[in-house]
Amino acid sequence: NAGVMQNPRHLVRRRGQEARLRCSPMKGHSHVYWYRQLPEEGLKFMVYLQKENIIDESGMPKERFSAEFPKEGPSILRIQQVVRGDSAAYFCASSPIGKPQHFGDGTRLSIL
Amino acid sequence: GQQLNQSPQSMFIQEGEDVSMNCTSSSIFNTWLWYKQDPGEGPVLLIALYKAGELTSNGRLTAQFGITRKDSFLNISASIPSDVGIYFCAGQSFNAGGTSYGKLTFGQGTILTVHP
Repeated sequence: NAGVMQNPRHLVRRRGQEARLRCSPMKGHSHVYWYRQLPEEGLKFMVYLQKENIIDESGMPKERFSAEFPKEGPSILRIQQVVRGDSAAYFCASSPIGKPQHFGDGTRLSIL
Repeated sequence: GQQLNQSPQSMFIQEGEDVSMNCTSSSIFNTWLWYKQDPGEGPVLLIALYKAGELTSNGRLTAQFGITRKDSFLNISASIPSDVGIYFCAGQSFNAGGTSYGKLTFGQGTILTVHP
């Protein structure tokens, strides 16, 4: 079974551009979560989605950030008009209901 | 919001030694999990704990869910060089409906270095 797949692994954007991060959950997992990690820190929760629904977005900034998990296709974390402070590693995790989350290897976002 | 305090922040040990790290919280969690993260990779699940007082082993790893539900520890016995990495605790709470809630709250991590 393939694990949680994230792409791209590395993404470089200039200030003001848009960043799109993709996550394909493990087969059979209907729950997707996004986390952000700054260097030498733990992961910080951003958003929790099920198919076509946002369950909890309490950790996601109100502006410029959005997430979706459509009926078909991967989950997308979208950051509009990126700023230097958006530079971080973004991790996606997936799980079946009531089971532990398994993580992908992340997307390292660098803002020039 | 909920916060986890993980200690120690870093450890330098000799191969073969035992290691212990712990997490404490100001609030109750219903599930405790321990993950290991290697450079450039995502966290990998080591142990999941679901009941207060539960003691669970996975090879040389042993973890316990504290009775108060506000703490957990992870022990690694007879460390080997491949144990090097960052270890994170994470807590998960039930939502109002009583089902397992998705959000994980992570500790700050323990950086483990093992000298051969």
